[in-house]
Amino acid sequence: SQQGEEDPQALSIQEGENATMNCSYKTSINNLQWYRQNSGRGLVHLILIRSNEREKHSGRLRVTLDTSKKSSSLLITASRAADTASYFCATNYGGSQGNLIFGKGTKLSVKP
Amino acid sequence: DSGVTQTPKHLITATGQRVTLRCSPRSGDLSVYWYQQSLDQGLQFLIQYYNGEERAKGNILERFSAQQFPDLHSELNLSSLELGDSALYFCASSVNRLAGLYYEQYFGPGTRLTVT
Repeated sequence: SQQGEEDPQALSIQEGENATMNCSYKTSINNLQWYRQNSGRGLVHLILIRSNEREKHSGRLRVTLDTSKKSSSLLITASRAADTASYFCATNYGGSQGNLIFGKGTKLSVKP
Repeated sequence: DSGVTQTPKHLITATGQRVTLRCSPRSGDLSVYWYQQSLDQGLQFLIQYYNGEERAKGNILERFSAQQFPDLHSELNLSSLELGDSALYFCASSVNRLAGLYYEQYFGPGTRLTVT
């Protein structure tokens, strides 16, 4: 399986703190994407980082990619209660037609 | 709002029955993907269509089939339903130019299927 694995499975922090989630994958990729899912709802695309990029920012989000270690991290700075959700990394690997392989997700809880 | 619509939102049916889930992609997107999300299996890719043609298959059971119509909407047909088919079914769309190019996927709100 080329499924990514997120770490930790669950994370609980206070508002204002930073949250870091990690993702590891198994094979070479075209890109890696992060998605957010509020409880039982659809997935929302957060950020896409290409295999030749090392870091990307979007607002309070910072994603890094280390292809030598086959890992990525998502940092949410100055977290808010509204950031409470599950976060998934998804990989698009070489030779695929674009379908994504998802990890099991990190459940983030931000307490006010 | 991602621009991807799915109907129905909820579906409750009995074992052995057949259901059809419908998806309309974002305007301009030619590629449609179907995913299944269950507690034990997580999010799994089922099948992809591009401009009416099947492009990739994932962990899709033989009891399941899909198609994409000329207006680009797609339907996922699930037959001989079993209790284990209860899950959230998501449709996603993207502008799929060429394999290896980079694009994000936009997910619909999902259809929650409950098989009793």
